[in-house]
Amino acid sequence: EIVMTQSPATLSVSPGERATLSCRASQSFGSNLAWYQQKPGQAPRLLIYGASTRATGIPARFSGSGSGTEFTLTISSLQSEDFGVYYCQQYNTWPPGCSFGQGTKLEIK
Amino acid sequence: EVQLVQSGSEMKKPGATVKISCKVSGYTFTDYYIHWVQQAPGKGPEWMGLVDPEDVESIYAEKFQGRVTITADTSTDTAYMDLSSLRSEDTAVYYCATGVVIGVYDSWGQGTLVTVSS
Repeated sequence: EIVMTQSPATLSVSPGERATLSCRASQSFGSNLAWYQQKPGQAPRLLIYGASTRATGIPARFSGSGSGTEFTLTISSLQSEDFGVYYCQQYNTWPPGCSFGQGTKLEIK
Repeated sequence: EVQLVQSGSEMKKPGATVKISCKVSGYTFTDYYIHWVQQAPGKGPEWMGLVDPEDVESIYAEKFQGRVTITADTSTDTAYMDLSSLRSEDTAVYYCATGVVIGVYDSWGQGTLVTVSS
């Protein structure tokens, strides 16, 4: 099983500033990497898949990069509604299965 | 609009079995796998398994193998997840989820809280 490690655990950023979240995998797996945002009491929301493809309706300020074992989610200009916990997820198309990171809590300063 | 609507919260005693439903609308039920994900309090999500509604074949994560059963009923466009031999560590929110790309979840149910306590 691939273990996903996210850093930092908590990130505090002022509105308008850039936020950079990291995700590291215990072994290389290509670019089957997704990012989700979760707010309290809600299901996760897909932001990015294939390491860099934005999901439908996701604003352009969200971008993903990386491959192999190192991945990054960047929010270029933080908005107040971007608070929440962000999870990275490594996924296999076949055989199916996936591993999530433990999350980065993004706080608005 | 794709919607996944789950059954309500459950409170169970250790050793019991819980059954959660996930009713799908807005797309053809047999087109995409339905996955189930466990999220314990304060933790990241964890994949439990999936069902292919077309042939009702299931695949389970090793951690839950033997305790989880995931099924689908094409007559009602509903997927089910049974988790048996419940223990306190199974206290969590359980989600069903689906998507066009296997493993990428662009649609989620609202979650079902299962509390296991004596």
